[in-house]
Amino acid sequence: GAGVSQSPSNKVTEKGKDVELRCDPISGHTALYWYRQSLGQGLEFLIYFQGNSAPDKSGLPSDRFSAERTGGSVSTLTIQRTQQEDSAVYLCASSLSFTEAFFGQGTRLTVV
Amino acid sequence: QKEVEQNSGPLSVPEGAIASLNCTYSDRVSQSFFWYRQYSGKSPELIMSIYSNGDKEDGRFTAQLNKASQYVSLLIRDSQPSDSATYLCAVINAGGTSYGKLTFGQGTILTVHP
Repeated sequence: GAGVSQSPSNKVTEKGKDVELRCDPISGHTALYWYRQSLGQGLEFLIYFQGNSAPDKSGLPSDRFSAERTGGSVSTLTIQRTQQEDSAVYLCASSLSFTEAFFGQGTRLTVV
Repeated sequence: QKEVEQNSGPLSVPEGAIASLNCTYSDRVSQSFFWYRQYSGKSPELIMSIYSNGDKEDGRFTAQLNKASQYVSLLIRDSQPSDSATYLCAVINAGGTSYGKLTFGQGTILTVHP
């Protein structure tokens, strides 16, 4: 595809369940970022992948959050034992190194 | 000190005026600078990138970078109501523990009134 693709677009889950959010970056982009945006708030950095380097996980809010990037392409963000405070829009972006990053449409997660 | 700082606004300008949005950053080795526009309920959209000192113009938008002052700005000429959005400043760090990381400011809300 031409752009960054995220799935699902919307996810409603029960408190305590695990969820997986997927990001398919622009082909050839070596950098991939995950951010979280709560209603009316700014972008909160979660994790950053760059090529084969170890990811920068410094923004993950707790050990319930993890992410992987397989084959330098698709990434999955996993949230275990979801809590209501995890409700937010999760945004993925990709770029070539040190250049413009492009965002997917986001996944709106609602924990009930 | 936040890595990237912006005034949250809201900044209100009349239609046709110049809107000036400002951003400062703390990491002297930052090397790539971007402005994104985000409409309510939508993802951020890249509108300008700038990598060297000086001005860069694209249509009604001009980005200005001053690395000595660690300052980047965005000017929007002939502002239109459709420009009303949140504008996000972003920086890529070129050194230290944040090497390559894309860091955003909190955004400035711009309202252009008819």
